[in-house]
Amino acid sequence: SQQGEEDPQALSIQEGENATMNCSYKTSINNLQWYRQNSGRGLVHLILIRSNEREKHSGRLRVTLDTSKKSSSLLITASRAADTASYFCATGGGNKLTFGTGTQLKVEL
Amino acid sequence: GAVVSQHPSRVICKSGTSVKIECRSLDFQATTMFWYRQFPKQSLMLMATSNEGSKATYEQGVEKDKFLINHASLTLSTLTVTSAHPEDSSFYICSARDHGGGITDTQYFGPGTRLTVL
Repeated sequence: SQQGEEDPQALSIQEGENATMNCSYKTSINNLQWYRQNSGRGLVHLILIRSNEREKHSGRLRVTLDTSKKSSSLLITASRAADTASYFCATGGGNKLTFGTGTQLKVEL
Repeated sequence: GAVVSQHPSRVICKSGTSVKIECRSLDFQATTMFWYRQFPKQSLMLMATSNEGSKATYEQGVEKDKFLINHASLTLSTLTVTSAHPEDSSFYICSARDHGGGITDTQYFGPGTRLTVL
């Protein structure tokens, strides 16, 4: 069964806008990770946030984690057409990863 | 960065045949590799954990005799789909964790293999 639910399921924005995706999970975690998947390709690791961290930045990515609400968000600022992909949150760390349902992001020119 | 390759990237086979998919860690040693299955527009579902030199650990509902896993070296794991049927058609993705271990370790994913069973 899925550990996490993500919303929205699909998101379409214009280039230059910000995109926000949310992930909720059910059990306690040590860390949470976000991955990107281009259509028909493998997953690319984006960022890992530990359970004792509340916010983390990496380039145009900003991830927040609220362990009291068991939720995380991924913000992509100044989006580009190349950001078009599916984004998944995952819990489990180096061991068994359990993925959320994913958000399909489309960035239009 | 760590690179994981998969071969083949795409395979089409007839029903009843067996298909082998290879997963290699190219620049690091992976004591543990993972095999996932992904249906169109859905998330990844873990099928099994492959441990070098020992038997794989299968997730509930995954037939071990159907999906044979061999992890013969620190850089190679193989998944063989035996007697494939159309319902086995899917996108299979492997990942590898480096030798260090630890709860914050990242899994590095291969590019995936698209299996189509006719």
